[in-house]
Amino acid sequence: GAVVSQHPSRVICKSGTSVKIECRSLDFQATTMFWYRQFPKKSLMLMATSNEGSKATYEQGVEKDKFLINHASLTLSTLTVTSAHPEDSSFYICSAKLTGSSYEQYFGPGTRLTVT
Amino acid sequence: SQKIEQNSEALNIQEGKTATLTCNYTNYSPAYLQWYRQDPGRGPVFLLLIRENEKEKRKERLKVTFDTTLKQSLFHITASQPADSATYLCALDRGGSYIPTFGRGTSLIVHP
Repeated sequence: GAVVSQHPSRVICKSGTSVKIECRSLDFQATTMFWYRQFPKKSLMLMATSNEGSKATYEQGVEKDKFLINHASLTLSTLTVTSAHPEDSSFYICSAKLTGSSYEQYFGPGTRLTVT
Repeated sequence: SQKIEQNSEALNIQEGKTATLTCNYTNYSPAYLQWYRQDPGRGPVFLLLIRENEKEKRKERLKVTFDTTLKQSLFHITASQPADSATYLCALDRGGSYIPTFGRGTSLIVHP
């Protein structure tokens, strides 16, 4: 149980275009999902907390207009990287928290974004 | 400022030995600490959670200790196997928030 999927697993896009990444909780409902970014040999950096039916809460320094988050249902959150630039190339990982559970998070397999 | 420190150098051990990984933190008073495993190109997988009032927790071949005086957690894998080779991340809560902050992780390599 507690499986989280992400799609796509890899994406290459041209500079200036937008890319959408989906995060789904497959066998549970998640009122809260999280989006992280990870650079090689670095720790996961939280970008934003996505709450179902409300606006996402962004971490300091993360541009909300650039990284659009939508959490339209209890099983789906999307991250759209708008007007992507090469410096946005990274590994993006989502996680979901079980409703009612305080601490445990379940992570998706990640999406490797390369902007050319 | 708050810091989570994990050894950036890879830990190389022989199969069958006990691997011990360290997580030190400063300027934190975490209510809990978590350990995750991450394989290359994959998302982290939750392993264990230990609360501030617990000194030790075990799960199969895994053991975690939590010393809030030393501000340190040790993560042990007994009878290590090559399949245990991965990066292990520790994560601390943000002062009561359920959102964890992650360390950089330590790479473990178990040689057959």
